[in-house]
Amino acid sequence: SQTIHQWPATLVQPVGSPLSLECTVEGTSNPNLYWYRQAAGRGLQLLFYSVGIGQISSEVPQNLSASRPQDRQFILSSKKLLLSDSGFYLCAWTSGRGPGDTQYFGPGTRLTVL
Amino acid sequence: EDKVVQSPLSLVVHEGDTVTLNCSYEVTNFRSLLWYKQEKKAPTFLFMLTSSGIEKKSGRLSSILDKKELFSILNITATQTGDSAIYLCVLLTSGYSTLTFGKGTMLLVSP
Repeated sequence: SQTIHQWPATLVQPVGSPLSLECTVEGTSNPNLYWYRQAAGRGLQLLFYSVGIGQISSEVPQNLSASRPQDRQFILSSKKLLLSDSGFYLCAWTSGRGPGDTQYFGPGTRLTVL
Repeated sequence: EDKVVQSPLSLVVHEGDTVTLNCSYEVTNFRSLLWYKQEKKAPTFLFMLTSSGIEKKSGRLSSILDKKELFSILNITATQTGDSAIYLCVLLTSGYSTLTFGKGTMLLVSP
């Protein structure tokens, strides 16, 4: 069965510090991978998605970047965090192979920037 | 631009009540509409709707899609305190399986 992992679960970082959040998927190959952010009082916002190694599409301009160094690994990064980067970050995957795609989410990382 | 609008944004009901959550959308290249329940952490999958007029049921929850009028409803009967959560309506579009999320409906079921 497929599982998706995210770490860390909780992170408190000072403004201006770098960030690296990791997401890995097990039990499937060549998944589509997604990074979302949920800020307080808002819906889920798609940040990045990837259909393959080294292929990243950005949905919104921001202080963040993403990379996919391996098929089942997706990393969200920042060189200098802003206060507005605080939120709940979710990684998700889908097979991307047919009309019946369901998106499965990881447990999330709660980031607080002080 | 694809858009998903959920209503109400929040509501409070008593245990045993029936609730109906609404989701209307404007989207190009529609593939599916999904409902998720989000409690403290990550959303959990409830339903995926692809065809119009076919009701999906899971216990006290049910959902239906109207592709002509571009909306879906999620019904919860005999609500329980454990139903308290944010319910997310999500549109899946063709291409790279891009998802568009609504802002969610926050449901609070009081004992």
